[in-house]
Amino acid sequence: DAGVIQSPRHEVTEMGQEVTLRCKPISGHNSLFWYRQTMMRGLELLIYFNNNVPIDDSGMPEDRFSAKMPNASFSTLKIQPSEPRDSAVYFCASSLRHQETQYFGPGTRLLVL
Amino acid sequence: AQSVSQHNHHVILSEAASLELGCNYSYGGTVNLFWYVQYPGQHLQLLLKYFSGDPLVKGIKGFEAEFIKSKFSFNLRKPSVQWSDTAEYFCAVGAAGNKLTFGGGTRVLVKP
Repeated sequence: DAGVIQSPRHEVTEMGQEVTLRCKPISGHNSLFWYRQTMMRGLELLIYFNNNVPIDDSGMPEDRFSAKMPNASFSTLKIQPSEPRDSAVYFCASSLRHQETQYFGPGTRLLVL
Repeated sequence: AQSVSQHNHHVILSEAASLELGCNYSYGGTVNLFWYVQYPGQHLQLLLKYFSGDPLVKGIKGFEAEFIKSKFSFNLRKPSVQWSDTAEYFCAVGAAGNKLTFGGGTRVLVKP
């Protein structure tokens, strides 16, 4: 299995621009998670999906952030407009069920100038 | 709601020293327990997990963890660390029907 795939691996953009992060979970996994990691705040859960349905988005920082999962093999996390404080590593993870082992993707390193 | 507490934020030790990282959780029911490791510049990887059975769990790279139900703890141990064990370690708990909750992480620096 290829594992969780994320793209792009690195993104540098200017403040105000739209950023779209992509994730392909492991085939057959029913739960998908988006995390953000920074030095200051550590690992934060932003949102997670079960069977393509958003279950808990209480970690989404504000309305500038949105996430979708149009099908079982693809999810996006969008930031519009982006701000320098959004600079972080964004991880996607998937699991068979939401209480079981999560497998993490390689992450997207986002830098907003 | 479940919560996970990792006692130490930073640990510094020398090669060959023994390592023990504390993890406590708050949830009274059945739980799944995990330790993940994140090497510098990399993503989180599973070290070991406990779902049921023998409370002493052995993972990769010589790590082990012991589930003590009465103490709500799942401490991670390694008898002799190597420089390559320098990483951040995360404890996570999944209670029945709930997603995993991660602890704040412990950064371990092993001096050569």
